[in-house]
Amino acid sequence: DTEVTQTPKHLVMGMTNKKSLKCEQHMGHRAMYWYKQKAKKPPELMFVYSYEKLSINESVPSRFSPECPNSSLLNLHLHALQPEDSALYLCASSLEVGTSGGHTQYFGPGTRLTVL
Amino acid sequence: GNSVTQMEGPVTLSEEAFLTINCTYTATGYPSLFWYVQYPGEGLQLLLKATKADDKGSNKGFEATYRKETTSFHLEKGSVQVSDSAVYFCALSVSGSARQLTFGSGTQLTVLP
Repeated sequence: DTEVTQTPKHLVMGMTNKKSLKCEQHMGHRAMYWYKQKAKKPPELMFVYSYEKLSINESVPSRFSPECPNSSLLNLHLHALQPEDSALYLCASSLEVGTSGGHTQYFGPGTRLTVL
Repeated sequence: GNSVTQMEGPVTLSEEAFLTINCTYTATGYPSLFWYVQYPGEGLQLLLKATKADDKGSNKGFEATYRKETTSFHLEKGSVQVSDSAVYFCALSVSGSARQLTFGSGTQLTVLP
């Protein structure tokens, strides 16, 4: 089973709202990722968690706050977003980060976020 | 640094036509290579991968061969179907890189009945 699940599938929020995106995997993977994807573009890496610790933050604005409560769960907390933050947010997981063999990343279906 | 260059799209083919989507790469180190597919309104799905030179990845009738001498990983399918219409991303990852995946720009494929 190579399934990564994400909820919600769609989210509409105002600029003053606080919301959270959730990602879950049960493959025993110890690396989890958040990506942002704009239409007709490749995904852009936002955050990387390795063994539940944040290892990469790609200079993402503080209105995006990641959290990894355990090895199976990854959250992205959203606050005071801007309309330009509207995008597809993808979660991915892989066996580990930075080891030999370039471990394969498996993606979830994404959350389509619209900021009004 | 690492980079992936993909064939510019969009690509439009008739059903049962032969498909090639070109992908070339530059990498520091010895990369693993991937093709991901994104159907409309969905996330990315791993289509196939290859981890060393001359490996051939294959899945659902798609194939790609890791060519170290030409730094290429071209995607091919002998007979496309309407259901293959999607965006295809070539990507690489290098051992020891915490950032893992470097993506190409993506190629939109439309297959007409």
